[in-house]
Order: sequence, then structure tokens, then C-alpha cells
Amino acid sequence: EAQVTQNPRYLITVTGKKLTVTCSQNMNHEYMSWYRQDPGLGLRQIYYSMNVEVTDKGDVPEGYKVSRKEKRNFPLILESPSPNQTSLYFCASSPSGKRGGELFFGEGSRLTVL
Amino acid sequence: GESVGLHLPTLSVQEGDNSIINCAYSNSASDYFIWYKQESGKGPQFIIDIRSNMDKRQGQRVTVLLNKTVKHLSLQIAATQPGDSAVYFCAENTSGTYKYIFGTGTRLKVLA
Repeated sequence: EAQVTQNPRYLITVTGKKLTVTCSQNMNHEYMSWYRQDPGLGLRQIYYSMNVEVTDKGDVPEGYKVSRKEKRNFPLILESPSPNQTSLYFCASSPSGKRGGELFFGEGSRLTVL
Repeated sequence: GESVGLHLPTLSVQEGDNSIINCAYSNSASDYFIWYKQESGKGPQFIIDIRSNMDKRQGQRVTVLLNKTVKHLSLQIAATQPGDSAVYFCAENTSGTYKYIFGTGTRLKVLA
């Protein structure tokens, strides 16, 4: 089954404790992206990747890092989480975002930073 | 389930009626538009898309209308069912960019 898989789905952590949210897609998509979703706001892009070893900042990159060592994986790293990073995070992929195509989303990761 | 938006506009419709959900997009250069459905606790699911060279596109029970003059997009759902209850939002994209802009969404409630 074609899917985008995120882990963990739920996480409660404390300020400053590094964490990684993994994202994996099995559709051989070139483009992958991370978004956060907060009440009253649309999805906001954190980082995106056009292909292996090619990443770029989205609209709200502060406090986050990403890597794209393999085509299928695009982990989101919070080196020193803070309470304002409490949010619902979504990973998405697309055959090629540059051509404007459907984004396939994961099920989301609910992160709470105390 | 998880809340995806505490202050979303809400559209309540009777089961079996038609629903119309609207979206004003922001970038006049956008030429690709998508409607997503998001159920509580789940990721957004693709419903239908449309490119700017069209003004209407139909799917199964859904129709998307695009009015580029006023930068407006609408999603029509025919014979709304309880399973249609969800948050719906639009996304816009400009060809040649990796940028998608998402609307905040509308919550659709289907009344039995």
C-alpha cells in the first residue's frame, strides 16, 4: 500500500531534550516536506527536499533541522525543543513538487513540549 | 479525536443536501489547486484538484469550481453523507515552485 509513515504518532517531551520524528514513503517520490498545523492557521511548511541531499527552508524553519540521505526517508530533528514547537506535524511527499502535483500526507505526529 | 482547528468556520448541512465550501486563494500566480479532507486524528486526504486552464472539474460526488478573476475556489459535495463530516481546506501552488499555500479550512458537519 502506498503510504507516508510517521513515527512517533504522539510524543510528550521536555524543553531541551533532542528528538527526531521519522518520515518514510514507499512511493519513490522525489519531493518530501514537513508541515506544522496549529489551531486557526493553515499548514505551514517547515522544510522541504527536492531529492536526496537537496533540502531547503520553508516558512517556519527556526528550531528544526532535516536531512535526506535516502530517497524514502526525511526525518525532522528538533535539537532543543521549546514549548512553542508544541504542534501537530505532518510529513508529505509528491512525485515532483515543482511540477505541481498531489501531496500525499502521513497521519501526523502530535508533539507536546513541556 | 484530535482537533485540527479550534476556531474554524463551520458549515452544517442536512444529510442528503448539497454542500458548498469556499476558499479565497492569495496568489494570482497560482495555477494548481487542490482540495483536501481531514478527519479527526488523520492526515489530509486528497479529494480533487484543478489546474488554472480549467474552471470546473468533476469527480465522484464532488465538483471544484475555479474563478481566477476573483481568486476563488469552491468545492461542491453532492448528496452529503455522514462520512463527509471533516475539515476541508484548499491548497494552491505555482508551477515551477515547491511552495504550497494552505487555507485554514472549513469544518463540515452533517446532520442526520
